[in-house]
Amino acid sequence: DAKTTQPPSMDCAEGRAANLPCNHSTISGNEYVYWYRQIHSQGPQYIIHGLKNNETNEMASLIITEDRKSSTLILPHATLRDTAVYYCIVRDPTDSWGKLQFGAGTQVVVTP
Amino acid sequence: SAVISQKPSRDICQRGTSLTIQCQVDSQVTMMFWYRQQPGQSLTLIATANQGSEATYESGFVIDKFPISRPNLTFSTLTVSNMSPEDSSIYLCSVDPTGLNYGYTFGSGTRLTVV
Repeated sequence: DAKTTQPPSMDCAEGRAANLPCNHSTISGNEYVYWYRQIHSQGPQYIIHGLKNNETNEMASLIITEDRKSSTLILPHATLRDTAVYYCIVRDPTDSWGKLQFGAGTQVVVTP
Repeated sequence: SAVISQKPSRDICQRGTSLTIQCQVDSQVTMMFWYRQQPGQSLTLIATANQGSEATYESGFVIDKFPISRPNLTFSTLTVSNMSPEDSSIYLCSVDPTGLNYGYTFGSGTRLTVV
């Protein structure tokens, strides 16, 4: 069963902010939101994760709604190298097996 | 973050044969994960490999088809056995170098074509 829902694709202009939505209405209290991306012909790359507070790192910002049922990944200044499939994943980090389950993701195309 | 070396990077194999994929990590990790990515699809977890015990397979994957070895804390192999064209996929290994259940690192994958 899919725990997250993402739009299948979105376009973004180079230099503009890219806002990637993710719905996770059944998220439980122990589950975090993780974002990964996969550039063509490469393995997935970790971007960011959070529980309920907004998070920022050198790659992106993560905004989680107060009810935690949805979140938005923000790439503040998209570049052509940000073209990739972006995956939103929810999971409990105390899960002893530690495995990641990927959904379909959002294909982001950054155009000049 | 950990560095993963995955070999081979690609191969073209005859149906009915087997291919063993190697995954070498530059640090010791408790668990290693093997994924399959079929053409145009997302990643599907095949199994979790814990050193010193048998791998745990996800629904739809069996040990006879995808035997896994985990001889030490830095190395694992996945074998794709008795291959058919439907096995043509990218196979990736992954580790959690922090042990904190985030920041998983992935290998660059093995692109397998079965003819």
